[in-house]
Amino acid sequence: GQQLNQSPQSMFIQEGEDVSMNCTSSSIFNTWLWYKQDPGEGPVLLIALYKAGELTSNGRLTAQFGITRKDSFLNISASIPSDVGIYFCAGQLKGGSEKLVFGKGTKLTVNP
Amino acid sequence: DTEVTQTPKHLVMGMTNKKSLKCEQHMGHRAMYWYKQKAKKPPELMFVYSYEKLSINESVPSRFSPECPNSSLLNLHLHALQPEDSALYLCASSQAGQGVHEQYFGPGTRLTVT
Repeated sequence: GQQLNQSPQSMFIQEGEDVSMNCTSSSIFNTWLWYKQDPGEGPVLLIALYKAGELTSNGRLTAQFGITRKDSFLNISASIPSDVGIYFCAGQLKGGSEKLVFGKGTKLTVNP
Repeated sequence: DTEVTQTPKHLVMGMTNKKSLKCEQHMGHRAMYWYKQKAKKPPELMFVYSYEKLSINESVPSRFSPECPNSSLLNLHLHALQPEDSALYLCASSQAGQGVHEQYFGPGTRLTVT
């Protein structure tokens, strides 16, 4: 099946540092979605991207839809302890149905 | 309001039990989804309902039986489950049809099969 390569797998940072994670694929995507999941909870949608080259911010979060439509990155600026969690990218394939392809996640740990 | 609700929050069931998971949304979404998530893994799609009709079944065993009684509700009926079915079960909803659609997830039901 289709795969998204999400990296890094985990990150350990100090409070106040900036964070960057990305997803890449060999396939073309129509949509990129970034989710955050806390333990025992459902994923929460952070940012949705719809157009190649699109750069979108949500507070301290910024995400971009790669110009080739095969990749996306998420940046978190000035991290705080509540940023801890697992971040998933998900993409909707070009010509695809409602089905999303998920990355394997980036586990973020923030040390106070 | 982007809320998807799920009940129960936790469920423990024996392998001979029959139980149901419930999901509800009031965002006017016409696509609803069931996902299964194991620890430290991404959500894994099980079923998709579009306009109250089953549109995708990801080769899920028949001991899982989905039902979409109306456009706001989605159920997952469970029967004769195995211990390896223990997982977080997530419901999601989105707009339906072709085009880009943001999926909104519920908080999940933590299922333990004993």
